[in-house]
Amino acid sequence: AQSVTQPDIHITVSEGASLELRCNYSYGATPYLFWYVQSPGQGLQLLLKYFSGDTLVQGIKGFEAEFKRSQSSFNLRKPSVHWSDAAEYFCAVINTNAGKSTFGDGTTLTVKP
Amino acid sequence: NAGVTQTPKFRILKIGQSMTLQCTQDMNHNYMYWYRQDPGMGLKLIYYSVGAGITDKGEVPNGYNVSRSTTEDFPLRLELAAPSQTSVYFCASLDAANYGYTFGSGTRLTVV
Repeated sequence: AQSVTQPDIHITVSEGASLELRCNYSYGATPYLFWYVQSPGQGLQLLLKYFSGDTLVQGIKGFEAEFKRSQSSFNLRKPSVHWSDAAEYFCAVINTNAGKSTFGDGTTLTVKP
Repeated sequence: NAGVTQTPKFRILKIGQSMTLQCTQDMNHNYMYWYRQDPGMGLKLIYYSVGAGITDKGEVPNGYNVSRSTTEDFPLRLELAAPSQTSVYFCASLDAANYGYTFGSGTRLTVV
């Protein structure tokens, strides 16, 4: 069965500092991986995705993620965080049979001024 | 282009009442999903559909029913509401060409 673990429930960073959010997955085949962001009271917005090829993928809002098969990880990074990045972030893996996704429990990001 | 539209946005139900959460999409996507999100948790799959007339259970289907009579609409029915169904419900459709989800803005349901 597929699963996603986000080890950090809550992370606080200062504005302008770098950010890394961790994601570990379990999947029997080559995983299709996603990062989503959710602002309060909103639905989920896709930040970036990895299917194959270059293991470093770029997304919207200056985010990037690196796929490491040996570590079963897909960590999200941003070099310099902005106050508007405060939100909840979800990592997900999709089962390409019927497109069912499994989501992690999320990491809440707080940005200090 | 409206994307995925969910109604209502908020609802309070009494225990034992029933209701239907509406979801419609205008992108001609075959794949549609209902997820629930409990506080501090990720999304859990309730039901999904791979096309009109085809539905299947997800991870947490108990207490819910769905139908898919058209490509556009995928309503979620709650029968005999229970406090455990207090949650935020998200409908989504999938572009099978790139596995891109489009989510609705959610329905916040409270059962008292």
